[in-house]
Amino acid sequence: EVQLVESGGGLVQPGRSLRLSCAASGFTFDDYAMHWVRQAPGKGLEWVSGISWNSHSIGYAVSVKGRFTISRDNARNSLYLQMSSLRAEDTALYYCAKARAYDWTNPGDHWGQGTLVTVSS
Amino acid sequence: SYVLTQPPSVSVAPGQTARLTCGGNNIGSKSVHWYQQKPGQAPVLVVYDDSDRPSGIPERFSGSNSGNTATLTISRVEAGDEADFYCQVWDTGSDPWVFGGGTKLTVL
Repeated sequence: EVQLVESGGGLVQPGRSLRLSCAASGFTFDDYAMHWVRQAPGKGLEWVSGISWNSHSIGYAVSVKGRFTISRDNARNSLYLQMSSLRAEDTALYYCAKARAYDWTNPGDHWGQGTLVTVSS
Repeated sequence: SYVLTQPPSVSVAPGQTARLTCGGNNIGSKSVHWYQQKPGQAPVLVVYDDSDRPSGIPERFSGSNSGNTATLTISRVEAGDEADFYCQVWDTGSDPWVFGGGTKLTVL
């Protein structure tokens, strides 16, 4: 069974940094691309970033480009999102999702339960 | 960037058919994916590549895509289908992955 468990969320002040992690199990992690998707309270889904199976291809939403960095450690079956220069509008539940195939042009077919990031002074 | 338009809400009686639309410029030339999100839960992929179903998704869920509109059709609607539904496409513009604003399906 595919399992994705996010961690690292919390309350952070504007301008500070935070690192999210996603622990994956139940599938061959290094065969699949991964995504981060967020959802602000009471709002819709917003794609944040995607990374290919071998980290050679990476994409970001315009809203986070230059501030967020996605990475993965295939030896540890883990996905990460380094977030810096955080803003109030980054407040959201952050989901990691496994893509259907090796490239992040594929949609997410399994999702974690999310980790909540709150940016506030 | 590319824009996807979904009606905010759709209501349907149990046993009837629900048709949820997703509008976009020439969306028929793109692959459309659909997610179901029940309250307090993570999204679930219910249709990918316009009309394919992941394993475990009932045949009652089907998709189509042509022209400027993609449609998720849910046949024989059940109370348990009540959820928010989001369409998604891949675009070569500035934002590669685009979600629609979501449609809340209410089962009367």
